[in-house]
Amino acid sequence: DAGVIQSPRHEVTEMGQEVTLRCKPISGHDYLFWYRQTMMRGLELLIYFNNNVPIDDSGMPEDRFSAKMPNASFSTLKIQPSEPRDSAVYFCASSLHRGDTEAFFGQGTRLTVV
Amino acid sequence: AQRVTQPEKLLSVFKGAPVELKCNYSYSGSPELFWYVQYSRQRLQLLLRHISRESIKGFTADLNKGETSFHLKKPFAQEEDSAMYYCALLGRGGGNKLTFGTGTQLKVEL
Repeated sequence: DAGVIQSPRHEVTEMGQEVTLRCKPISGHDYLFWYRQTMMRGLELLIYFNNNVPIDDSGMPEDRFSAKMPNASFSTLKIQPSEPRDSAVYFCASSLHRGDTEAFFGQGTRLTVV
Repeated sequence: AQRVTQPEKLLSVFKGAPVELKCNYSYSGSPELFWYVQYSRQRLQLLLRHISRESIKGFTADLNKGETSFHLKKPFAQEEDSAMYYCALLGRGGGNKLTFGTGTQLKVEL
């Protein structure tokens, strides 16, 4: 398995545009997490899914952010409309449901909104 | 609610000096705690977990429930230890919610 795959690696967009980030978790993993990394706030959990169902989206900053997981092998994080303060690195991670759960991270998407 | 606090954004030490990266947590249940590390240009990856009681790359961390802490320690810092370190808490209530602290940048100087 190639691990968690995120695309694109880099995204530069203009304020007001829609941005879609994509994630392919490790096959067989039950959980999928979306995080945002910034210098000021570190790693913030935005939302996570269990068996494709959103469990906790309390970290989603506002209604401009939405996430979906239509099947076990694909998830999207959408920002519409995007704003400069959304600029950050967005990470996707997946894990199994077991006692010593380790989360495996993708390489992240560096988003710049100008 | 679960929360992880890492009070230091940056920790700078000399090679060979002891290292302690602080982590405190808040959680009403029985937590599972982890340290993750992100080396330059690499993915965030697991360093160690408290239930394993293991030493990885010379690092250890002991869960202190009385002080609600999980500090990461290494007796002698090496240059290759320079990285970003995140403390994380896995809360089982309502699902496997994995929450991270804000991270500490460790810089080991020669």
